[in-house]
Amino acid sequence: EADIYQTPRYLVIGTGKKITLECSQTMGHDKMYWYQQDPGMELHLIHYSYGVNSTEKGDLSSESTVSRIRTEHFPLTLESARPSHTSQYLCASSPTYNEKLFFGSGTQLSVL
Amino acid sequence: GQQVMQIPQYQHVQEGEDFTTYCNSSTTLSNIQWYKQRPGGHPVFLIQLVKSGEVKKQKRLTFQFGEAKKNSSLHITATQTTDVGTYFCAAKTSYDKVIFGPGTSLSVIP
Repeated sequence: EADIYQTPRYLVIGTGKKITLECSQTMGHDKMYWYQQDPGMELHLIHYSYGVNSTEKGDLSSESTVSRIRTEHFPLTLESARPSHTSQYLCASSPTYNEKLFFGSGTQLSVL
Repeated sequence: GQQVMQIPQYQHVQEGEDFTTYCNSSTTLSNIQWYKQRPGGHPVFLIQLVKSGEVKKQKRLTFQFGEAKKNSSLHITATQTTDVGTYFCAAKTSYDKVIFGPGTSLSVIP
């Protein structure tokens, strides 16, 4: 089973707060991804990384930022949360040589 | 940008009936993956197809990759209630991003 962890599992915060969603994997994967998914809907890629110090924006415009200082860690930050950011955020990783993505359990974010 | 389309969006079947979901791309794909997401869960990798015309089977699931590597299908024989969930296809774009199709939500009526 995949060793990729996301915290917190659920987060309810007020508008304007700064938040960081954590994602860590212990598989040594170079590639990591953040997807945003509303209930019953498709996954939208918002950020991805090929390795340390490499980050790219995905197809869905997002006000969030990411960093990749260590291979195992890929946190996502929202400087000022808004109700439109309410969604589930899924982190995933994959080995360099294929696109088999391992997903974390996700963070369900609610911004009031 | 590159898109992956999937049909149908929803499928309701009687337990024991077969189910098929189709994935299509306007561009040639280097490979395609299939994932299953149970209600309330996260996507779980099922399989990756790489070769033109490839067919792979996992018990009651049959996966096909088209000859032109622009389409793929997932077929489930004799559905069971444990098959309930959303099935996504995913593909790597020319920029090495992995994008997902919109998914097919499968409901199985016991």
